[in-house]
Order: sequence, then structure tokens, then C-alpha cells
Amino acid sequence: DIQMTQSPSSLSASLGDRVTITCRASQDIGNYLSWFQQKPGKSPRLMIYGATNLEDGVPSRFSGSRSGSDYSLTISSLESEDTAIYYCLQYDKYPRTFGGGTKLELK
Amino acid sequence: EVQLVESGGGLVQPGRSLKLSCLASGFTFSNYGMNWIRQAPGKGLEWVASISSSSSYIYYADTVKGRFTISRDNAKNTLYLQMTSLRSEDTALYYCARHRSPFDYWGQGVMVTVSS
Repeated sequence: DIQMTQSPSSLSASLGDRVTITCRASQDIGNYLSWFQQKPGKSPRLMIYGATNLEDGVPSRFSGSRSGSDYSLTISSLESEDTAIYYCLQYDKYPRTFGGGTKLELK
Repeated sequence: EVQLVESGGGLVQPGRSLKLSCLASGFTFSNYGMNWIRQAPGKGLEWVASISSSSSYIYYADTVKGRFTISRDNAKNTLYLQMTSLRSEDTALYYCARHRSPFDYWGQGVMVTVSS
């Protein structure tokens, strides 16, 4: 199975900060990587697909990138509504595997 | 508007069975693969099973293989998850999700609690 190692597990940042969350894939997954945002008591929301593509309706301050087997989600300027848990997911092969999650809080 | 509404959850004893349903609306259900994903209380997301649009391709997580069966009825716009031999570790909120890139719409989830 493909392991997705997500870091950090938690992150505290201030409004306006640039924030980056990373997932490393244990084997090649190409660009078959998505990012999800989950707020308390809510269902996950697709933010990024294909490693770099912004889902419709997602604010442009969110972006995704890839460097080799490392995939990153970046928020260019943190807003209060961005506090949530973020998960990466590889969908290159079955079983689909999620990263462990990153809890993003305001400092 | 795309809507996915899960039902069928509840409290069940270990070793018993339960069948979840997910009613889809707002899109052509028969054109999309579908998925079940679960989340244990306070834990992360775990993919459970996937089914293609015509049921030709089905995949399961090793943790549920041989115990859970995913199926669909395109005439009823409904996705199912038949769960047997339930264990305490199956306790979770179960979501259905539409397959595009790969999970673009999710239901609100249905809680399954396995306990004696």
C-alpha cells in the first residue's frame, strides 16, 4: 500500500501568515493527489485535485504544488475561516490512502 | 444541487450486520463511481470501498474485505454498504462520496456504533 506521510500534525499560525502543509508519498503517484479541508462537525471539502488544480469555489489563496514525491498545500495569507484539519489523499492506486491530517489553528 | 444523504446507521452488537444507504440527487448517478469513507471518533479519514458506475469494478480496504459489500441500484439512485461481522473497530461516521478527482461531493455521514 502507498503510505502518505503528512506534516506537521498540527500548526499554529497568525492571520495573514503563509502556511504550508506537506505530504510525502512512499511511491510514485504522479499527480494523483488531492487535499481536503474538514471543519468541526462537517464533512470534508475537496480543495485541490491533480496536485495543483483548485476546485471550483475554493479561494485563490489556496494552492497546491509538487516536488518529486513531496506534495504541498499552501495558504498564501491565512484567514480565520481557514482553521480546520487538512488531509491529503493519493488516488493513483487502490487502496486509496489519506495522510494523517494537519490541524491548523490560529495563534 | 448535488446531494448525498446517508441512512441506516445505529448501535449494533459485535458480530451483527447493518446496511447503509446513500441516496443521491442533483446529478446523473449512473455516470459516476461512488465511494464509502469512514472516520472513527476523533480520528482521521479511512477509505473503505469504491464501486464503478456500472458496478463492473469494486475495491475494498483490507480492513473490511470479506465482511463488507458495496453495491448500487442506478434505477433508485442509491449506493449501499452491507456490513457483516461487525467489530468495535468499525465504529465510525460513514460518508458516501461521489467519484471525481476523486471525492468531490460528500454526504453528511451516518454514525455506526458497534458495542455490546
